[in-house]
Amino acid sequence: DTAVSQTPKYLVTQMGNDKSIKCEQNLGHDTMYWYKQDSKKFLKIMFSYNNKELIINETVPNRFSPKSPDKAHLNLHINSLELGDSAVYFCASSGDTDTQYFGPGTRLTVL
Amino acid sequence: QKEVEQDPGPLSVPEGAIVSLNCTYSNSAFQYFMWYRQYSRKGPELLMYTYSSGNKEDGRFTAQVDKSSKYISLFIRDSQPSDSATYLCATGFYGGATNKLIFGTGTLLAVQP
Repeated sequence: DTAVSQTPKYLVTQMGNDKSIKCEQNLGHDTMYWYKQDSKKFLKIMFSYNNKELIINETVPNRFSPKSPDKAHLNLHINSLELGDSAVYFCASSGDTDTQYFGPGTRLTVL
Repeated sequence: QKEVEQDPGPLSVPEGAIVSLNCTYSNSAFQYFMWYRQYSRKGPELLMYTYSSGNKEDGRFTAQVDKSSKYISLFIRDSQPSDSATYLCATGFYGGATNKLIFGTGTLLAVQP
């Protein structure tokens, strides 16, 4: 009974392609996030959603578009992938407290 | 200047050693402080959470915050090989839906048996 799950775990694709990453949480949380972790392990927030509404958008390129069909799901679609998009993408969720629970990550490699 | 600076490591210690991991932050308005542990190829998991200056202890782990000098530390006593991981300090503001964590760059710790 995984709390925050992501699919796929690994994604290898060519430059210029479009890809999606899916995230689901079964914790009943209202807020979900996407973070990007670069090769030096620096973890930086990209987006947050609260009850399907976009709350935080940290100057991420327009090629990245989050979508929240319901409060338990937050997907990330990336258009026209670039080499610099290679990273590990983490989904997270939080409820009434400030504690965020992270998923296992999706390792994206753009060739 | 990054909002949170963390000693990058890597750090290698023998089993049983006391480990000290350190971060500094620039914004005195940050309200809470966390330590996350991240095993290789896994997601970060919360280890310690505190919001006031002073020490907070949980088993072999002690989180220390000094708001006057904007300094946060994590001490691990009697370190074990299973403690080998990347440790990330994080901070933020109370904000409900606008809550966002600001992370340090992480310190890779290896505890040698």
